[in-house]
Amino acid sequence: DGGITQSPKYLFRKEGQNVTLSCEQNLNHDAMYWYRQDPGQGLRLIYYSQIVNDFQKGDIAEGYSVSREKKESFPLTVTSAQKNPTAFYLCASGSASVQETQYFGPGTRLLVL
Amino acid sequence: GENVEQHPSTLSVQEGDSAVIKCTYSDSASNYFPWYKQELGKRPQLIIDIRSNVGEKKDQRIAVTLNKTAKHFSLHITETQPEDSAVYFCAARGLDTSGTYKYIFGTGTRLKVLA
Repeated sequence: DGGITQSPKYLFRKEGQNVTLSCEQNLNHDAMYWYRQDPGQGLRLIYYSQIVNDFQKGDIAEGYSVSREKKESFPLTVTSAQKNPTAFYLCASGSASVQETQYFGPGTRLLVL
Repeated sequence: GENVEQHPSTLSVQEGDSAVIKCTYSDSASNYFPWYKQELGKRPQLIIDIRSNVGEKKDQRIAVTLNKTAKHFSLHITETQPEDSAVYFCAARGLDTSGTYKYIFGTGTRLKVLA
């Protein structure tokens, strides 16, 4: 878990503003994932990526965008089109190997002003 | 689409008793089933996992069982302690159409261990 970092820990968004959440890993994992967690709820998949310059939409991709320019980094942008962005955002990474699991970063809590 | 159902949503047990949480998955191609524990405001932490070629796995007070035929898997915690109180998530991993591993999570179980 220590190999995955997210920043910032808290983020405040104003109306109409795009904000970007950072996720970095030094575990040499191929796959990276973004999840959204609402209070008292489970984890819902936003976007995921297996290799550089390629990513797939998850179940709730609308209003979000991602990029994967480097293996270590998978930033998530919450656009103004996401009308209800207040949530806890978790980044995870995992190996393509069948032997390894998925590990989570510490999360970013996004609040709307 | 793929789905993982988790029950119960809340579970209260007396300290020292056992707790069982059950999950059912829909994708028969799922091959790996992790369980995560999440404390309030923290990240989910892997506590145990099981692969599709194994029926049971145990780690001290925690065990997981898998029934591939029925597409069920369960988490068993024995001799529960107050520090076991948390939200527990099950997940099922499979491959999507692009060959990428994708995890489907259950909705979570809030476990309260009463002292």
